[in-house]
Amino acid sequence: DTAVSQTPKYLVTQMGNDKSIKCEQNLGHDTMYWYKQDSKKFLKIMFSYNNKELIINETVPNRFSPKSPDKAHLNLHINSLELGDSAVYFCASSQWGEQEPQHFGDGTRLSIL
Amino acid sequence: AQSVTQLDSQVPVFEEAPVELRCNYSSSVSVYLFWYVQYPNQGLQLLLKYLSGSTLVKGINGFEAEFNKSQTSFHLRKPSVHISDTAEYFCAVRTLSNDYKLSFGAGTTVTVRA
Repeated sequence: DTAVSQTPKYLVTQMGNDKSIKCEQNLGHDTMYWYKQDSKKFLKIMFSYNNKELIINETVPNRFSPKSPDKAHLNLHINSLELGDSAVYFCASSQWGEQEPQHFGDGTRLSIL
Repeated sequence: AQSVTQLDSQVPVFEEAPVELRCNYSSSVSVYLFWYVQYPNQGLQLLLKYLSGSTLVKGINGFEAEFNKSQTSFHLRKPSVHISDTAEYFCAVRTLSNDYKLSFGAGTTVTVRA
């Protein structure tokens, strides 16, 4: 009965590769987010989708491309991975227009060799 | 734009002692305030939130926080900690606008010792 689930939990890959992280939520929310947590544990938002439309797009390299096939899913594709992409990526969801806080997944730890 | 400052990066504390984690925010508009906890190798879990109303907010696991608008603070407290409270704690703020971005503080590492 996991509310926000991410796969994979761990991802180890080489520089230059392309990889995807998947996120699914079963809370019935209409808004989903991607956050990046760096090695110092600082959390920063990357993207947000509301009803499959991009609403937040922070200063993120265009190697990162989010895709939302439906309200319950938000995937993150990363091209040409670089060492600096090593981080923990968190997916979150919430209901737009309400005061409900965001619910987070357990994160995907991406390590670039 | 809003910002969050957590004044303590690390807080060591003995079991059954009280703990206070300090959080200050900066914003030109009204905000919603949150505290999240991150246990090792896990995601973020909401501890409590301040949206409006009473400035003293009670959350899960015996935590509470007080919103102080004049001091722009939202400090987190627990009167008696357990070993299981060892975790990273994040203060976050969101403005009352169509911008649903959460801005996080840098986090406070709480280590509870027996």
